[in-house]
Amino acid sequence: GAVVSQHPSWVICKSGTSVKIECRSLDFQATTMFWYRQFPKQSLMLMATSNEGSKATYEQGVEKDKFLINHASLTLSTLTVTSAHPEDSSFYICSASAGGRGNTIYFGEGSWLTVV
Amino acid sequence: GESVGLHLPTLSVQEGDNSIINCAYSNSASDYFIWYKQESGKGPQFIIDIRSNMDKRQGQRVTVLLNKTVKHLSLQIAATQPGDSAVYFCAENSNGGSNYKLTFGKGTLLTVNP
Repeated sequence: GAVVSQHPSWVICKSGTSVKIECRSLDFQATTMFWYRQFPKQSLMLMATSNEGSKATYEQGVEKDKFLINHASLTLSTLTVTSAHPEDSSFYICSASAGGRGNTIYFGEGSWLTVV
Repeated sequence: GESVGLHLPTLSVQEGDNSIINCAYSNSASDYFIWYKQESGKGPQFIIDIRSNMDKRQGQRVTVLLNKTVKHLSLQIAATQPGDSAVYFCAENSNGGSNYKLTFGKGTLLTVNP
């Protein structure tokens, strides 16, 4: 079964509204989670590193005020797309680390966002 | 900045043949590599990993080869099956310790013809 769960799996929202996507680690605690964005037929692009109890670290070119990340507990990180626009439509994927390296980097099943 | 890239964006093979997917990386500090399989509409699925102190690692029907001299790695899939059809990404990590940040390559779409 999945060890990292994302919700919702897909969401459609109106332009100008905000959308929240959740990433939960199941059965393990994750001090660090990562948020990726993937456009159709493209690779995963890291958006930000979510650190439990502290501010997220954003990659260059990613607007921190538009993509709000909250990692309030060791099992939950949320990504809020604020004032969404059609160009924000994408597949958002999170990953979480249980500790160590290798296959302990678990990915969620992704969340499809469509902004109309 | 430095990136991880792929030579072949698409690969079509016959069922039962062996598949080879290639990946080039440019960050000389990369010391850990992972291959992922991504099916349509799903998140990446771990296939196999390799550390820079190795040049070959085998799993079930898969083998990863690492050539640090030319900064190249490949994924070999033996006896390819229709269920192997997916996009395959290589990813690298260049930080030791507790940083699990991954940089992904562009991806190769593997199509297995029955």
